[in-house]
Amino acid sequence: AQTVTQSQPEMSVQEAETVTLSCTYDTSESNYYLFWYKQPPSRQMILVIRQEAYKQQNATENRFSVNFQKAAKSFSLKISDSQLGDTAMYFCAFMISNFGNEKLTFGTGTRLTIIP
Amino acid sequence: DTAVSQTPKYLVTQMGNDKSIKCEQNLGHDTMYWYKQDSKKFLKIMFSYNNKELIINETVPNRFSPKSPDKAHLNLHINSLELGDSAVYFCASSQSGVGNQPQHFGDGTRLSIL
Repeated sequence: AQTVTQSQPEMSVQEAETVTLSCTYDTSESNYYLFWYKQPPSRQMILVIRQEAYKQQNATENRFSVNFQKAAKSFSLKISDSQLGDTAMYFCAFMISNFGNEKLTFGTGTRLTIIP
Repeated sequence: DTAVSQTPKYLVTQMGNDKSIKCEQNLGHDTMYWYKQDSKKFLKIMFSYNNKELIINETVPNRFSPKSPDKAHLNLHINSLELGDSAVYFCASSQSGVGNQPQHFGDGTRLSIL
C-alpha cells in the first residue's frame, strides 16, 4: 500500500517570502504521478501542480515549483513570492498509473498561513 | 459552467435518517469518485466508478451505497446515519488511462449529524 507523509502540520510566512512544504511517500511502484492540491477556506480542492515520476525535470507553474527526488521518494512544493491568497491547506497526493483504478492517496495536509 | 457539481452543499440531519448526495460532471470523463474528508481534514477514497462499473470500494460500511446511472453521474446514498458520518464528502472525476490528468473535484457536501 502507498503512504504519503506531510511532516509539517502548520507553517506561516511573511507575504512575499518563499516557503517550502515537504512531502515524502512510500511505494514499490515505478510508474506513478504526484500532485499538490490546495484547499482554501472556501473548501474547494484546487490542483496546484503535477509531476510524472518518469520525468526527471521538476514541474513548475508560475510561482509554484517542485523538487522531485525519486530515489529519496520526496516531493516538496516551493512557493515563491507568497501572496495572501496562498493561505490554505496544502495536500500532497500520489496516484498509481492503473487504468480505471486511479485513486488519489493523500497526505495529512499542511496548513499554510501567509502573514501580511 | 461548473465542471463537477454536487448537491446539496450542506446537509444537516438526525442520527438514523437516510440521505443522498448527488454528483454530476460535464467534462466527459469516464471515471468518478467519492472521497471523505474527516474533521482533521484527512481525505480518503471511498468509491470509484468507471463507465458505471464499481472499481474501488475501500472497506466502506455497507450503509453507504453509491449508484451510477450513467458515466456523468455518481450519487451516494447513506442509510441509518451515525455521528461518525459527519464529514465533508467530495465527488471527483477524471479520464482513465490519462494518469497525468488531474482529478477534478466538486465543492464538497458538508454532512452534519445531530
